[in-house]
Amino acid sequence: SQQGEEDPQALSIQEGENATMNCSYKTSINNLQWYRQNSGRGLVHLILIRSNEREKHSGRLRVTLDTSKKSSSLLITASRAADTASYFCATVAQGAQKLVFGQGTRLTINP
Amino acid sequence: GAGVSQSPSNKVTEKGKDVELRCDPISGHTALYWYRQSLGQGLEFLIYFQGNSAPDKSGLPSDRFSAERTGGSVSTLTIQRTQQEDSAVYLCASSPPPLGRGTQYFGPGTRLLVL
Repeated sequence: SQQGEEDPQALSIQEGENATMNCSYKTSINNLQWYRQNSGRGLVHLILIRSNEREKHSGRLRVTLDTSKKSSSLLITASRAADTASYFCATVAQGAQKLVFGQGTRLTINP
Repeated sequence: GAGVSQSPSNKVTEKGKDVELRCDPISGHTALYWYRQSLGQGLEFLIYFQGNSAPDKSGLPSDRFSAERTGGSVSTLTIQRTQQEDSAVYLCASSPPPLGRGTQYFGPGTRLLVL
């Protein structure tokens, strides 16, 4: 069974707007990662944030982590049509190696 | 360099048949993972290898599922006596040493359809 929940399940915005996705999890973690998936096949790693970090940036991506609330958010700024994809958060629990995925957010960027 | 590769890309089989799915990880990656993605269950962990040993098999759904890894490289996931509920996309990932927990690099997946 999955540990995380993502919100919203689907998001549709206009090109150029910002997109925010949220993720909640249940156990203590070593790190939290965000992945993107196009067309239901391979996942592409976007960013990793460790449990002792609160915010991380990578290009147009900004990730925050609040371990007290067991939640994370992914912000994509100045969205582009190519950002259309499903986005998954995944956690690695303390002492574990496997990823536990959330249910994903389907993001659609309208031109 | 080359990424994670998986074969076949697609597999259609009849209920009750055995299937083998193959994963070639990125060279030098000691950790290898199998996941599956289905409509009803989302993305689920199956098994994790560190070298040739599997310290975590907790996600294998039944004893019909097995996996092995040889030479610290290629891995094969075998499903015996396939059932319709085994239909899913099977994803393989690898990560570099020293331990897992970091970024995982995913292959394109094998889409399995059991008729």
